[in-house]
Amino acid sequence: AQSVTQPDIHITVSEGASLELRCNYSYGATPYLFWYVQSPGQGLQLLLKYFSGDTLVQGIKGFEAEFKRSQSSFNLRKPSVHWSDAAEYFCAVVGGSTLGRLYFGRGTQLTVWP
Amino acid sequence: KAGVTQTPRYLIKTRGQQVTLSCSPISGHRSVSWYQQTPGQGLQFLFEYFSETQRNKGNFPGRFSGRQFSNSRSEMNVSTLELGDSALYLCASSGGGTGAETQYFGPGTRLLVL
Repeated sequence: AQSVTQPDIHITVSEGASLELRCNYSYGATPYLFWYVQSPGQGLQLLLKYFSGDTLVQGIKGFEAEFKRSQSSFNLRKPSVHWSDAAEYFCAVVGGSTLGRLYFGRGTQLTVWP
Repeated sequence: KAGVTQTPRYLIKTRGQQVTLSCSPISGHRSVSWYQQTPGQGLQFLFEYFSETQRNKGNFPGRFSGRQFSNSRSEMNVSTLELGDSALYLCASSGGGTGAETQYFGPGTRLLVL
């Protein structure tokens, strides 16, 4: 069965610093991978997705992620964090016979210091 | 294009009551998935509907049920509410054909059971 691990529960960075959020997945074939962001009391907003092709994908708000099959990873990066990026970030995977079911990691809470 | 809408946004119920939540997908989307989000368990998959048929179901008791109408709108019902059902309930819509498309989330319904 598919699973997603986000090793970092909470990350704190200073505004303007670079950011990398880690995501490892477990899936036998080529997965479809997603990063979502959630602000307090809100739904999930799609940041970016990987289906196939170029392993470096660009998303909204200046985020990018790199798919590394050899490491079963799909880490999210941003070169310069803004205070408005403070939120919770979720990595998710879908594939095979999961039919409409996303498997989510437990999320990484991002705090940004001014 | 309008996004996914969920009604109501907030709900307070007492133990033993039942509740119905509604989700209107993005126009043209035929799949609706439901998730429960709690601080302790994270994001858990409830079920997914495509063209009025339940295609996939998570590990929730039979008190949780759903349905989808011919216009793709979906409802979920929770009977005999328990304190542990307090959560944010999120629905997501997608094109649905393969079951592995991008899911777009609504703002959620916050349910509090007293």
